[in-house]
Amino acid sequence: KNEVEQSPQNLTAQEGEFITINCSYSVGISALHWLQQHPGGGIVSLFMLSSGKKKHGRLIATINIQEKHSSLHITASHPRDSAVYICAVKTSGSRLTFGEGTQLTVNP
Amino acid sequence: KAGVTQTPRYLIKTRGQQVTLSCSPISGHRSVSWYQQTPGQGLQFLFEYFSETQRNKGNFPGRFSGRQFSNSRSEMNVSTLELGDSALYLCASSLETSAIGELFFGEGSRLTVL
Repeated sequence: KNEVEQSPQNLTAQEGEFITINCSYSVGISALHWLQQHPGGGIVSLFMLSSGKKKHGRLIATINIQEKHSSLHITASHPRDSAVYICAVKTSGSRLTFGEGTQLTVNP
Repeated sequence: KAGVTQTPRYLIKTRGQQVTLSCSPISGHRSVSWYQQTPGQGLQFLFEYFSETQRNKGNFPGRFSGRQFSNSRSEMNVSTLELGDSALYLCASSLETSAIGELFFGEGSRLTVL
């Protein structure tokens, strides 16, 4: 079993829909990242969380440390949100362990 | 402010050769971490350097090595290349160690081993 599990693996939505991507982890962590990767490879860090909730524009990330679970929400989704979303946790020291990613496609 | 710069962006090597990849972090950032991304294994942590010292290393064979210079630029080297080393190699820089700092990624170096 992977230390970091994401669901769903693939997600297709219509423009304007509310989207949720989930991340569960089985190890102790110091922080959790949500990353966005567009075709071509470049990765952008969306959020770094150690507790509670963060919001940036239409993106919201939450984490529940006791339940070892985090969610990334996208409100009013847009085709430009189409990308792979990756959850990554910081474990011992500075080591990052990644989920397998969620491929999101938003259709106009 | 310039972002994280990785060179080269694309390269092709043959089995048995070695390769050196370079990562220039954002000015002022002291931490550089390296990652390998393959279709089969996804993203995996290679190692992190902070102030010229390796702070952590992932589960990769000794053929994978790296270093960091006094100006925080980092290089990683893969010797005796194997077909399975074909991957996108990404680096990320952070103001402090990546344990507490936000990460800024480069565009990656795509290595193909024939």
